[in-house]
Amino acid sequence: LAKTTQPISMDSYEGQEVNITCSHNNIATNDYITWYQQFPSQGPRFIIQGYKTKVTNEVASLFIPADRKSSTLSLPRVSLSDTAVYYCLVGGEGQGFSFIFGKGTRLLVKP
Amino acid sequence: GAVVSQHPSWVICKSGTSVKIECRSLDFQATTMFWYRQFPKQSLMLMATSNEGSKATYEQGVEKDKFLINHASLTLSTLTVTSAHPEDSSFYICSARAQTGVHEQYFGPGTRLTVT
Repeated sequence: LAKTTQPISMDSYEGQEVNITCSHNNIATNDYITWYQQFPSQGPRFIIQGYKTKVTNEVASLFIPADRKSSTLSLPRVSLSDTAVYYCLVGGEGQGFSFIFGKGTRLLVKP
Repeated sequence: GAVVSQHPSWVICKSGTSVKIECRSLDFQATTMFWYRQFPKQSLMLMATSNEGSKATYEQGVEKDKFLINHASLTLSTLTVTSAHPEDSSFYICSARAQTGVHEQYFGPGTRLTVT
């Protein structure tokens, strides 16, 4: 299973764009990259998923370079309510879909 | 769509008793469900993966006789913590996947277990 490495924490201010990078050097050919958001005492919430290049939805963008050894979650114009832990997961059908969570990135958005 | 519920949301039990936690997919059929445990300020730890109608696959270090998982239908999986002890106190979270080949997991809200 591909191991992921993320910054432990990040601080930002309201209205700024936040980019959280995740390293996954041993990502397999069939692996997808998925990002989740978790608030305290709640289950994680799906944010975005991608395989290569760029994916955008209504809440975030995901940038994946050609070698797929890293990915960057981009949150445009964050607000205080975006303060949460963000997890990057890498996995695919070939590993029986065991989603192994790394330590995640604690994002603190300040006023 | 894609809502997963858990019941109860919190439970307090005495040491030595058993506790059952239910995980339901409300608007889709879940071929695979996952159970996680999360201690304060820590990440989620995958405990087991269960496919409907078959035995669960437990992660290394997770006692299958202590954490009984049943996935009897496409919308319900249960986790029973048997002979609970204070060290089992944790936040238990389930997730469900709709069909094989789909990479999204939908998580439940979690169950806070406190063993006294």
